This record gives sequence, structure tokens and C-alpha cells, in this order.
Amino acid sequence: GENVEQHPSTLSVQEGDSAVIKCTYSDSASNYFPWYKQELGKRPQLIIDIRSNVGEKKDQRIAVTLNKTAKHFSLHITETQPEDSAVYFCAASRGTYKYIFGTGTRLKVLA
Amino acid sequence: NAGVTQTPKFQVLKTGQSMTLQCAQDMNHNSMYWYRQDPGMGLRLIYYSASEGTTDKGEVPNGYNVSRLNKREFSLRLESAAPSQTSVYFCASRQAQGRTEAFFGQGTRLTVV
Repeated sequence: GENVEQHPSTLSVQEGDSAVIKCTYSDSASNYFPWYKQELGKRPQLIIDIRSNVGEKKDQRIAVTLNKTAKHFSLHITETQPEDSAVYFCAASRGTYKYIFGTGTRLKVLA
Repeated sequence: NAGVTQTPKFQVLKTGQSMTLQCAQDMNHNSMYWYRQDPGMGLRLIYYSASEGTTDKGEVPNGYNVSRLNKREFSLRLESAAPSQTSVYFCASRQAQGRTEAFFGQGTRLTVV
């Protein structure tokens, strides 16, 4: 069945450094790849997404890249700040079908 | 604009008891989902409903049933609760057309003792 692998499970960076989280998906028909941020005790919320017809998307300090051939996509956060500390989830879906999440990455930004 | 609303927010059950988690969305979305989130783990899909009148199993459906009551409401039922079902449950919805984000409810923290 469909599967999304996410690495690393935990990541600690110094404030101001960059953070990179990587995901690999199994369903080659997946065409939508969102990233969610979940703060402690809160619901997941979308921070950026990318569709299969685009290779890269950027929104201020956050960027996502997609390699359809290798079936992997990555989240890049530059100039990290303490408020970036949270759990980040990637996901993959196609149309109305299953919306499968990765296992999450706990990011800690050290001041 | 309420978005996705789940009830209850907290619940404690005894082993063997049954209960229904309610979810309603006011965004006219076609697809709805139920996930569980265990400590240190990701969001695992229990059941989903691609559109009104249809439901399908996700990654971890055992011990659960669902009902898509109408376009707005999607309920999750535990017939005989077990301690292994202690978790935080999230309902989500998304528009079926195109490739779109999922909006989550605030979650239900369920403890089975």
C-alpha cells in the first residue's frame, strides 16, 4: 500500500542555521505534497505545499523541492528561529484518495 | 467560520465501553478523514470518506467504524474500547476537486482505562 517515509525523526539546530527534512513516497500516482506544522497540543496546520507539476516552491524562509523521478521531496527552513520549534509532517495524496502522512520530525531550534 | 469541529475534546472510557466521536465541517468539503496520533508517532489514517455516501479503510481500521451521515458530518465509533485505543483523534476535511490542503479539527484526547 501507500507509504510515506520521513527523516530525521528529531533535528536540533542552532538559531539562524538551516533545517532540512526529507520524505520519500511509494505511490507514483501521488500528485500533491503538503507540509504541516504541529505545535505542542495544537492541531496540524499547513505551512507549504507543492504539486507534481512543479519542482520547487518558496515562501519566505520556507521552501519545498520535489523530485518525481526519485519519489522524494524535502522541506528547507532557512534562518531558523525559536518559534520554528515544532513537529513537522509531510504528506502525499492523489485526488480524493488516501491522504497519508509521514511519521513526523521534531525540530528544536536552540537559542 | 468554525471550520472543522470535533466533540468531545476529552473523554475517559472503561475497557469495553462504546462511544462515538463526532466531526462536522462547514466548508462544503467533499472528503473527510479520521486520524489517530499516538505519543511520538505520526498521524495514522483510520478511515476516510472521499465523498458523501462512501467510506474506505485507512492504515489502522481495526476496532473502529465510521458513518458519513451527510456532507457535513463524519463520525467515528469505538464499539468496544481497548487500552490500545488510547490516543488523540483528529478529524480532517478537504475539497475533493484539485490538490488541496486538509483542515483539521482541534482533536479529541481519548483515554481507555
